[in-house]
Amino acid sequence: AQKVTQAQTEISVVEKEDVTLDCVYETRDTTYYLFWYKQPPSGELVFLIRRNSFDEQNEISGRYSWNFQKSTSSFNFTITASQVVDSAVYFCAVIKAAGNKLTFGGGTRVLVKP
Amino acid sequence: GAVVSQHPSRVICKSGTSVKIECRSLDFQATTMFWYRQFPKQSLMLMATSNEGSKATYEQGVEKDKFLINHASLTLSTLTVTSAHPEDSSFYICSARGASGRLSYNEQFFGPGTRLTVL
Repeated sequence: AQKVTQAQTEISVVEKEDVTLDCVYETRDTTYYLFWYKQPPSGELVFLIRRNSFDEQNEISGRYSWNFQKSTSSFNFTITASQVVDSAVYFCAVIKAAGNKLTFGGGTRVLVKP
Repeated sequence: GAVVSQHPSRVICKSGTSVKIECRSLDFQATTMFWYRQFPKQSLMLMATSNEGSKATYEQGVEKDKFLINHASLTLSTLTVTSAHPEDSSFYICSARGASGRLSYNEQFFGPGTRLTVL
């Protein structure tokens, strides 16, 4: 069985501050995929990134960056220079390579104040 | 990218009635579709997995007679909440996974969700 822990339930920052969301996962599989999704108030899940277990290269996409540390089973997500539009719930998830079940973390609510 | 739609986006019904929610893959064939439920301020919980042409596989604790799932075609899955009660009020989200080929085999594409309120 897999498990994803997002220890921070809610983070509040002021616009332009950086915010880092923690994600720790547990899996017995050697090949798996990790995801981050954004869920704005409208409810629709917005895909942000997928990373496979063999690719530990960190990634930057605009103001978003991800730090994958396989040794500590962590896949942290940083928003640089946060904006009010970043206010949402962010979910980390894991699925084994040939699996069906996408396991989500509990989510972290980010509130960016102007 | 692949697009998944859900209909309706919002539904309010009386207790005891049945509600059908549709999930459609618009530009790809979905061999597998998934139904999730999300209660307020909680995470998404997988309810069931359906493969086209076969019976759905339900997660532990999900009543298959209450949540009827039909995946009759490669582009449509339906979830029917039978005899809905207020505790069934939730946000229901579907996702679809395509066959190998153009889309990554394990990629799930999510619909926009359906908010069900049972009075």
